[in-house]
Amino acid sequence: QKEVEQNSGPLSVPEGAIASLNCTYSDRGSQSFFWYRQYSGKSPELIMSIYSNGDKEDGRFTAQLNKASQYVSLLIRDSQPSDSATYLCAVPLRGPNQGGKLIFGQGTELSVKP
Amino acid sequence: EAGVAQSPRYKIIEKRQSVAFWCNPISGHATLYWYQQILGQGPKLLIQFQNNGVVDDSQLPKDRFSAERLKGVDSTLKIQPAKLEDSAVYLCASSLVLGYEQYFGPGTRLTVT
Repeated sequence: QKEVEQNSGPLSVPEGAIASLNCTYSDRGSQSFFWYRQYSGKSPELIMSIYSNGDKEDGRFTAQLNKASQYVSLLIRDSQPSDSATYLCAVPLRGPNQGGKLIFGQGTELSVKP
Repeated sequence: EAGVAQSPRYKIIEKRQSVAFWCNPISGHATLYWYQQILGQGPKLLIQFQNNGVVDDSQLPKDRFSAERLKGVDSTLKIQPAKLEDSAVYLCASSLVLGYEQYFGPGTRLTVT
C-alpha cells in the first residue's frame, strides 16, 4: 500500500460546481496534512494545512480530516477555470530520523470547464 | 517576504556532463529540502538539511548526486555524471520548523540529452 494515495483523475467539473479531491494515508498516527496546488509548469503552492479532525475553511477551500478513516479531502466551492491544476496531498513521515519528511501523493488533476 | 529562490530555471546538458543547482531559502527557515519531480508524479525528497546538517539523504543517489549547505543558508545540489533518467524538475523548499509547512521555489527544469 502506498503511504499517500490520491485518484490521479482527471477530475472534470463545470464552473461554479463543487470539486471534491480525496486522499488516503497509511500511517494511522499522522498528525498533520497539507494540500498543495500545482499549475502546469509551476512549482507546488501550499494552499491548506490541517491538523485536527473536522473541517477547516479558507475562502472557497475546505479541508476535511477524518483520522479514524485515515482520509483527508479538499473541497473547492464555486469552482473557477483558474482552479484547474494538479492538487497534491502531502503527509509528513513520523518517527526518529524521518525529520518530518513529506510524502506526496501522485496528485489529482482538476479541470474546471467554463 | 521573499520566497525561495532557485537558479538556473532551465538547464539542458548531455549525458555524462555535470550540473549544479542553487537554492536560497526563505529568510529564517532552518530546514531546507531538495526534491525531484518527474512528470506526472508527486515530488520525491532527495535530501533534507536542518541548518547545515543532513537530516535525511536516504533517497539521494550518492554515486552521482551531492548536496551541501555550508553556512546553513544557501544550498547547492550537484549531479555528476548526469544520466538520461535524471531529466526532471528539481525543487527546493524550506520550512521554519521541521516537519511543518514547506514552501517551494520555482524549480529548475533539467533536460539530459
